[in-house]
Amino acid sequence: EVQLVESGGGLVQPGGSLRLSCAASGFTFNRYAMNWVRQAPGKGLEWLSYISSTNDIYYVDSVKGRFTISRDNAKSSVYLQMNSLREDDTAVYYCARDDKWAFDVWGQGTRVTVSS
Amino acid sequence: QFALTQPASVSGSLGQSITISCTKTSNDVGSYDRVSWYQQHPGKAPQLMIYEGDQRPSGVSNRFSGSKSDNTASLTISGLQAEDEADYYCCSYGSSSTFWVLGGGTKLTVL
Repeated sequence: EVQLVESGGGLVQPGGSLRLSCAASGFTFNRYAMNWVRQAPGKGLEWLSYISSTNDIYYVDSVKGRFTISRDNAKSSVYLQMNSLREDDTAVYYCARDDKWAFDVWGQGTRVTVSS
Repeated sequence: QFALTQPASVSGSLGQSITISCTKTSNDVGSYDRVSWYQQHPGKAPQLMIYEGDQRPSGVSNRFSGSKSDNTASLTISGLQAEDEADYYCCSYGSSSTFWVLGGGTKLTVL
């Protein structure tokens, strides 16, 4: 079964850091690009970052310089290092596989709360 | 850079058809392609419904169809069912600086 499982969310104070992980299974991970997408409470989806199978990387402007995407093909995992967190980073964070120019597989999400 | 504009809400009765629009708003007349659509039920992860504008993934009902004309992409749901009530998002390739752009989402209510 093709599956993505996120972890690493939690409560963090403003200015703090978190590292999210997304473990993939059921497919050949190193052949696919991956994305992170978030959803603030009661709001829509927001694309955050993309990493290709060859490590080309893109970010939305609002997280450039604060968030870093990376992947470890040996562990079939993609990561999102989040620094200088702000209260408006509070959201459910999803990882999503990129195939045929779409997000074809999604994880269940991990919740991040930034609050003092 | 551009934005994708969707209506905040649409509604339709059981068995009817509805269409959700997704308009690219920009002075940039570059291509508007690689459009995908996602369905999200409350508390659940999104699910891919349409990719490459008009292609349905395996397992998605043929009641869902996609199309595009000029700067507007559309998702049509025919034969509305209660389980179609959800939020729907469009997405398009952005540019070499911002790879993906998501629309603001449309809440579908089935009456």
